Amino acid sequence: GENVEQHPSTLSVQEGDSAVIKCTYSDSASNYFPWYKQELGKGPQLIIDIRSNVGEKKDQRIAVTLNKTAKHFSLHITETQPEDSAVYFCAASRTSGTYKYIFGTGTRLKVLA
Amino acid sequence: GAGVSQSPSNKVTEKGKDVELRCDPISGHTALYWYRQSLGQGLEFLIYFQGNSAPDKSGLPSDRFSAERTGGSVSTLTIQRTQQEDSAVYLCASSLVASGGTHVGEQYFGPGTRLTVT
Repeated sequence: GENVEQHPSTLSVQEGDSAVIKCTYSDSASNYFPWYKQELGKGPQLIIDIRSNVGEKKDQRIAVTLNKTAKHFSLHITETQPEDSAVYFCAASRTSGTYKYIFGTGTRLKVLA
Repeated sequence: GAGVSQSPSNKVTEKGKDVELRCDPISGHTALYWYRQSLGQGLEFLIYFQGNSAPDKSGLPSDRFSAERTGGSVSTLTIQRTQQEDSAVYLCASSLVASGGTHVGEQYFGPGTRLTVT
């Protein structure tokens, strides 16, 4: 079945350092890959997304890269700040049929001041 | 404008009782999704509604789970004869879908309903 693997499950970095979270998906028909940030007691919020016709996308301190051949995509956060501390989820989806997201299991990021 | 809202925010129920969870999607969003998030786990797809099409129920874990969407807007997720393993946060999301079914927008999530079955 469809599956998304996400690593690492926890990540601690010093403030100002970079953080990288990696995901691998199994459904070769997936062509939309969003990343969500979830703070305690809240629903997930989209922080960045990428479609399969693009290899990289950047938004200020956040970037996502996609290797469609290898079915890998990664989230990169530079110059981390304490407010980046949260749980991050990757997901994969098709843009036809059911648009359900297949989520990774999440990464708890802690930015140490 | 208002985001996705869910009620109640917390629900404690006894094993064997039925519960109803409500989701109000963003106005104008034709697609609505239910997910379940168990403690320390990722989000598990349950069911998807799009316009007047038959819902995709492929993620419902058992026949104790059902959902409906009335008038293309509000949705209710019902769990009958609740079990302790049903304890989780139930998240609802909505998105825009263009005519012809082309996905155009991200899924916006509500704050979730935390269900505890004792």
